[in-house]
Amino acid sequence: GDSVTQMEGPVTLSEEAFLTINCTYTATGYPSLFWYVQYPGEGLQLLLKATKADDKGSNKGFEATYRKETTSFHLEKGSVQVSDSAVYFCALSKKGAQKLVFGQGTRLTINP
Amino acid sequence: DAGVIQSPRHEVTEMGQEVTLRCKPISGHDYLFWYRQTMMRGLELLIYFNNNVPIDDSGMPEDRFSAKMPNASFSTLKIQPSEPRDSAVYFCASSSLRGSYNEQFFGPGTRLTVL
Repeated sequence: GDSVTQMEGPVTLSEEAFLTINCTYTATGYPSLFWYVQYPGEGLQLLLKATKADDKGSNKGFEATYRKETTSFHLEKGSVQVSDSAVYFCALSKKGAQKLVFGQGTRLTINP
Repeated sequence: DAGVIQSPRHEVTEMGQEVTLRCKPISGHDYLFWYRQTMMRGLELLIYFNNNVPIDDSGMPEDRFSAKMPNASFSTLKIQPSEPRDSAVYFCASSSLRGSYNEQFFGPGTRLTVL
């Protein structure tokens, strides 16, 4: 079945460091890909998305590119801030479907 | 819009008691999802509805769990009887095919503790 695999956490970085959180997926066809973020004590919220190969999603300084050849959707940010500390979830959905398949989440902590 | 509303935000109960969690989706959304989040198992989809009809309940852990959606603006998740292993954060989310493609809007969650 369809699945999403994220890099193991937790990830701890210093402020202004470069961030990469790896995400790979297994799915038939051409799924849409998403990154959701969960801040402490809150529900998940959509961070960015890409709906077809080579699309780049971006928001709040975060970027991720849909790479069909490597079945990947890695999340990157050039300079992280303490306020980026959260749990990040990679997810996919099949065309026409509302159901999301989530990865296990990666906890990110940014130290000042 | 107030977003997805869940109640209560925190629930502490004793083993064997009935627990009812409530959710009000965003007005106009026609999909509603119930998730459970634990440290051990991560985020699990329990059940989802489309136009108040359950579409997929394969994630419901056992018969002690039941979910209903009597109308477009209200859903409940019930656990009877509750057990300590049900302790988790339960999220409700809603979405619409008419809105941003596949974006689900999550509520703040209900933190359930079963003693």
